[in-house]
Amino acid sequence: EPEVTQTPSHQVTQMGQEVILRCVPISNHLYFYWYRQILGQKVEFLVSFYNNEISEKSEIFDDQFSVERPDGSNFTLKIRSTKLEDSAMYFCASSAPGTTYTEAFFGQGTRLTVV
Amino acid sequence: AQKITQTQPGMFVQEKEAVTLDCTYDTSDPSYGLFWYKQPSSGEMIFLIYQGSYDQQNATEGRYSLNFQKARKSANLVISASQLGDSAMYFCAMREVFYYGGSQGNLIFGKGTKLSVKP
Repeated sequence: EPEVTQTPSHQVTQMGQEVILRCVPISNHLYFYWYRQILGQKVEFLVSFYNNEISEKSEIFDDQFSVERPDGSNFTLKIRSTKLEDSAMYFCASSAPGTTYTEAFFGQGTRLTVV
Repeated sequence: AQKITQTQPGMFVQEKEAVTLDCTYDTSDPSYGLFWYKQPSSGEMIFLIYQGSYDQQNATEGRYSLNFQKARKSANLVISASQLGDSAMYFCAMREVFYYGGSQGNLIFGKGTKLSVKP
């Protein structure tokens, strides 16, 4: 069964360092998302991406964040200068084309720890 | 204001019994979708079931059913015949816009309910 894959599963980084979280969405999907979940809290939307550009972003997604689809398969989230409060589980999701319901399939997540 | 409210931070259920996890939502958009996801301790998010705002019938997927009461803006998840493997966090989520200008609309999540199934 096709699935969304994320790498790495766990990343530890020093405060102020840049990190890149990687995702390979399901191959025929066109809509891509990043969500984050701070430990013990709810899942929060960061950004959605369609047709090689950002289609929506939340207030969390400030200038230190960026997304890219560098080739036909990868979808990345870059955090330029990490802060302690960026520690969270980051989920990539993708969904198929369609004008009605399509569920978002989530990857297994990358746990980011900023120290 | 909370868009998705899950009032039960934790629930216990005996194995083989049914359990209902509550979810209420708030939207003025006539077109929306409601989703339930399961998050086991390993952390991944597993899609369980979907209900569209225009669907006449309540959604069912195996042991999962969604008790959709549109006038009350509730979308409770019912798990029948609970199993030990059902122990997990359960998140209710809503998507307000199916398709608009290239966006399918992001998911808005509730805070979740931790379900523990007792043997």
